[in-house]
Amino acid sequence: AQTVTQSQPEMSVQEAETVTLSCTYDTSESNYYLFWYKQPPSRQMILVIRQEAYKQQNATENRFSVNFQKAAKSFSLKISDSQLGDTAMYFCAFLSIQGAQKLVFGQGTRLTINP
Amino acid sequence: ETGVTQSPTHLIKTRGQQVTLRCSSQSGHNTVSWYQQALGQGPQFIFQYYREEENGRGNFPPRFSGLQFPNYSSELNVNALLLGDSALYLCASSFGTGGTEAFFGQGTRLTVV
Repeated sequence: AQTVTQSQPEMSVQEAETVTLSCTYDTSESNYYLFWYKQPPSRQMILVIRQEAYKQQNATENRFSVNFQKAAKSFSLKISDSQLGDTAMYFCAFLSIQGAQKLVFGQGTRLTINP
Repeated sequence: ETGVTQSPTHLIKTRGQQVTLRCSSQSGHNTVSWYQQALGQGPQFIFQYYREEENGRGNFPPRFSGLQFPNYSSELNVNALLLGDSALYLCASSFGTGGTEAFFGQGTRLTVV
């Protein structure tokens, strides 16, 4: 079974700083997807960024980028020029391409951006 | 906002009762997944419905059951509620089962007293 671990329960940075959230995972599969989701106080999970494991190039979405290290099973999220609206819970998630589209989530990191 | 809507948004039930939660999937999506998110935890997969058939189940007892309708909306039913069933229940819809993006609803907060 796959597992996802986020070792930073909470992080706090100043507005405009860069912050990196860590995620490691465990799987025996060679092809899969990885995601970062954001969950603000409104509770709705919002997709931040997605990475296909067969792609070596790290995904980027505006201020958000990932560092995907397949051999190390590591998938960190970097937020550049952080904004107050980035304050939320962030979840790393694994998706197997086999069987049901079952997302396996980490425990989450609570990120606070301070003015 | 996504096109996934869940109802109700909040619910309080008594231990031993039964509850039904509802989810309308985004237009064009034929797959619905349900997750349970306990306070301070990441969501846990309950089950998935694809084209009206159950397509995978997580480690949840048979008290948790579901349905998907021809319009691809879905229900989650929980019987014999326990205090430990108190959680945020999230519904996610997607097209197919091959790694396409899942869109989440805002969740139903269930409190069992």
